[in-house]
Amino acid sequence: DQQVKQNSPSLSVQEGRISILNCDYTNSMFDYFLWYKKYPAEGPTFLISISSIKDKNEDGRFTVFLNKSAKHLSLHIVPSQPGDSAVYFCAAIHNAGNMLTFGGGTRLMVKP
Amino acid sequence: GAGVSQSPRYKVAKRGQDVALRCDPISGHVSLFWYQQALGQGPEFLTYFQNEAQLDKSGLPSDRFFAERPEGSVSTLKIQRTQQEDSAVYLCASSPQTGDTEAFFGQGTRLTVV
Repeated sequence: DQQVKQNSPSLSVQEGRISILNCDYTNSMFDYFLWYKKYPAEGPTFLISISSIKDKNEDGRFTVFLNKSAKHLSLHIVPSQPGDSAVYFCAAIHNAGNMLTFGGGTRLMVKP
Repeated sequence: GAGVSQSPRYKVAKRGQDVALRCDPISGHVSLFWYQQALGQGPEFLTYFQNEAQLDKSGLPSDRFFAERPEGSVSTLKIQRTQQEDSAVYLCASSPQTGDTEAFFGQGTRLTVV
């Protein structure tokens, strides 16, 4: 039973446009959500996070939105750049410091 | 180096062979995690250490998997009698304090069992 789901395995976007990556979760005990970015042959690197007490967090070109009632979060990247092409993982935690529960990932391709 | 280091980067094992995967976390990091990532999937939790104490091993798939962190720094994940289904990338992550939410990942060890 997957507690964190990313239903789009891939997404293709033109450079300069907005990329929207989606994530759904089932466990209402999750209290912190993170997005990780992964390039081939590298480990995941932290991108942005949001606490369950907030509904939006912004960092430069990256914004994460959380809809607790829908158990849904999304990552917006605007404007998208070719260097953003990677696999993006949504992850969730309950109890700070505990393990991450990951979604299956979405491969983003930004075309020049 | 400043990051989490894992070795070897690649390991090919014959079925039935024992393997040992090493993780050097960022110096001073209290928490250490092991994850298993099968092809095309997200990482899945295996086990968690706080210093030298293994506080959670609920994700280890069988008793063939064993992890240790005897001095609270370097950790080793050992897999005995490897099977083909053990083929995956094994990721190690560390974080500075027990209450941290962001973990720093190593590059992983890709294990292929033939």
